[in-house]
Amino acid sequence: AQRVTQPEKLLSVFKGAPVELKCNYSYSGSPELFWYVQYSRQRLQLLLRHISRESIKGFTADLNKGETSFHLKKPFAQEEDSAMYYCALSEISGSRLTFGEGTQLTVNP
Amino acid sequence: DGGITQSPKYLFRKEGQNVTLSCEQNLNHDAMYWYRQDPGQGLRLIYYSQIVNDFQKGDIAEGYSVSREKKESFPLTVTSAQKNPTAFYLCASMKGVTGNTIYFGEGSWLTVV
Repeated sequence: AQRVTQPEKLLSVFKGAPVELKCNYSYSGSPELFWYVQYSRQRLQLLLRHISRESIKGFTADLNKGETSFHLKKPFAQEEDSAMYYCALSEISGSRLTFGEGTQLTVNP
Repeated sequence: DGGITQSPKYLFRKEGQNVTLSCEQNLNHDAMYWYRQDPGQGLRLIYYSQIVNDFQKGDIAEGYSVSREKKESFPLTVTSAQKNPTAFYLCASMKGVTGNTIYFGEGSWLTVV
């Protein structure tokens, strides 16, 4: 069975500080990992996926298969980054997406 | 305006009544999903469908039922057997059946009193 764990329910940083949102997973096959974000009063939307290896809004995430982690990082947080962030996992060949519990990020001025 | 439309946005029902939440998409997506979002528990998969007239149970299917008679529609019925139905329900869809971005609706709040 696939499982995604986000150990921090709440994370608070100051503007300009680095931020790291942790995500660990357990899955026996080849996973595809995603980060989704939900800004206040907006729909849940894709932020980035590990296959793309791109940086979105300054965020990056590296898949570490040895540590089964996919932490989301940004070197300088901005107030507009305040949102709920969800890590998610899918089988490479499947359509079922499993989400973690979510981390509420607050960036203080 | 393309996208995923969920209705109603807010719904109140009495205990013991079945209620159906609507989800329609005009994106020509193949796969559709229903998730339940509870504080501190993230999104939990209720049911998903990869093709018309076929669907699979997710992690918390008990007390729920779905149908997929048309590609664009995937309604969710919350039955009286669901022990804790008050929640925020999210519908989503994906092009193809693997490896693509999932798009979400705005959600439906169901309150059972």
